[in-house]
Parts: sequence; C-alpha cells; structure tokens
Amino acid sequence: EPEVTQTPSHQVTQMGQEVILRCVPISNHLYFYWYRQILGQKVEFLVSFYNNEISEKSEIFDDQFSVERPDGSNFTLKIRSTKLEDSAMYFCASEGQGFTGELFFGEGSRLTVL
Amino acid sequence: QQQVKQSPQSLIVQKGGISIINCAYENTAFDYFPWYQQFPGKGPALLIAIRPDVSEKKEGRFTISFNKSAKQFSLHIMDSQPGDSATYFCAASEVWGTYKYIFGTGTRLKVLA
Repeated sequence: EPEVTQTPSHQVTQMGQEVILRCVPISNHLYFYWYRQILGQKVEFLVSFYNNEISEKSEIFDDQFSVERPDGSNFTLKIRSTKLEDSAMYFCASEGQGFTGELFFGEGSRLTVL
Repeated sequence: QQQVKQSPQSLIVQKGGISIINCAYENTAFDYFPWYQQFPGKGPALLIAIRPDVSEKKEGRFTISFNKSAKQFSLHIMDSQPGDSATYFCAASEVWGTYKYIFGTGTRLKVLA
C-alpha cells in the first residue's frame, strides 16, 4: 500500500538553528500539506502546496517557515530559526487528483527545540 | 468561528460497548466532516466522513450522525473492541479548496478487554 514517508522521525535542535523536515508523498499525488501537532493538542494546518506553489497557509506559517518541492519527489518544510514553541510533531500529508475526501498522512517528524 | 469543539477529551469503554464522541462547529461554510483515527506513533488516518446533505453514514461498526441545524456531528463506535483504542479527531473543511482541515482537540479512547 502506498504511503507518505517522513524523515527524520525525531530531531533535536538548539533554539535559533535551521531545521529541514523531509517528506516523500505518494507518487501520483498532486496536493501536499504540512500540519503540526503540539504535544497533547489538536492537529493544526500549516500550509498547502500545489503546482509548485503555496495554495494556502495559516497564521502559524510565518516568514520563518518555507516549503519546497526540490526534485519532484521530496516535499520539504524548512524552519529558518527555530523557537521553543516550534517543538511539535510535524505531519506531511498528500492527496491525489480531484476531491477524494482523504488526506494521507505520514507518521510524523517530532521536533524538539531546546 | 473556525473552531471545532470535541468532547469528551478521554473515554473508557468496556469491550462490546458503544463509544460516542461529539463535535460541534460554528462556521456554516463547512461542508465536509471527516473523522480521523490516530494510533500512537502513527499519523492520523481517515476513518469515515460525511457531507451535510445526509444525516447519517455507516461503515461497518462506525457511524457518523450529523445534525445540520444544531451544527453538531458525532461518531458512534458499536461493539467497541480493544483494537479501537486510539485517539479520534473530528475535523471540518470547506469542500471547494484545499484540505485546510480544522481539527477538534481529539478524544483518547480506551476499550477495556
């Protein structure tokens, strides 16, 4: 069964450092998303990406965040200068063409900012 | 306006019992309501979803009840099993556009053997 894969599974970083989280969406999917889940809290939308550009972003997705699809298979989330409050589980998700009603989530990348 | 309120926060049910999780929303533009199931260490996975043109949808032991006038929807798990122990998130979005889901805060379900 095709799946969304994310790396790393866990990253620990110092405050102020840059972090890149990587995702490989399902191969024929066209829409890509990042969500995050602060420990014990709800899953929050960060950004959606289609046709090599951002479709929509939330208030959380400020100038410290960026997304890229560098090579047609990977989808990355970069946090330029991490803050303590960026500590969370970050989920990548993808969706196929058309409104299927289903987002496929990866297993997440846990980011710990010290 | 953009919130989805979910209750209870946690739920313990005996094996074979019925688990009921409730959600409420305010934004009348929402017209797609999925439920996601998340096991520890895994990403959320779609369980069942409903559009507001129907009041109920059933898939196996899982049923969504939808009350458009009250702006509420709920998940019923019949004959709950220990394997159903997981965190359940309700969500809502507008159909036209990307999946900018607004998730509820989650319900941690534990089914006792």
